[in-house]
Amino acid sequence: AQSVSQHNHHVILSEAASLELGCNYSYGGTVNLFWYVQYPGQHLQLLLKYFSGDPLVKGIKGFEAEFIKSKFSFNLRKPSVQWSDTAEYFCAVNAQGGSYIPTFGRGTSLIVHP
Amino acid sequence: NAGVMQNPRHLVRRRGQEARLRCSPMKGHSHVYWYRQLPEEGLKFMVYLQKENIIDESGMPKERFSAEFPKEGPSILRIQQVVRGDSAAYFCASSDLGRGREQYFGPGTRLTVT
Repeated sequence: AQSVSQHNHHVILSEAASLELGCNYSYGGTVNLFWYVQYPGQHLQLLLKYFSGDPLVKGIKGFEAEFIKSKFSFNLRKPSVQWSDTAEYFCAVNAQGGSYIPTFGRGTSLIVHP
Repeated sequence: NAGVMQNPRHLVRRRGQEARLRCSPMKGHSHVYWYRQLPEEGLKFMVYLQKENIIDESGMPKERFSAEFPKEGPSILRIQQVVRGDSAAYFCASSDLGRGREQYFGPGTRLTVT
């Protein structure tokens, strides 16, 4: 079974600061990787996804993530955050060729001060 | 372009009553997943269904909880004899059979048991 760790539970930044949220997974096989965002009071929305190919993937709203296979990591980055990025961010993994049921990390709460 | 629909958005039940949560997947999607989210916790997988079939219910409590996805109509998550510990946000997601099977989430149902 796979597991996902998000080490930063709470992050507080000022606008224009750079962001990096960590995500590590454990699974011996080939995986698909996702980052979701949940704005206050709303549902989860897909930010970006990685299936194969270029390990640097770009998503919506200026977010990107890099898959480093040797480190089992899929960290989320944004060069300059905005107040509107205040939200909960979830990393998720599913196993290719399996049931495709994703395992979610616990989430990281990001607060951006104007 | 309707996304995943869930209703009701908010549901209040007294202890011992039944709660019925409904989910209509995105058009063209044949796979439905139910999750529970508690404060300060991530999403916990409950059950994965296709039309008329339960594929994986490994996350469902053994008692009081059931789910179905009939040939016609929405998927239903049913909680019998609710207790205060059932209070949570319940999210439904749907996917198609495409590569990666990324999931699209509904707005959730917030269940409060008084």
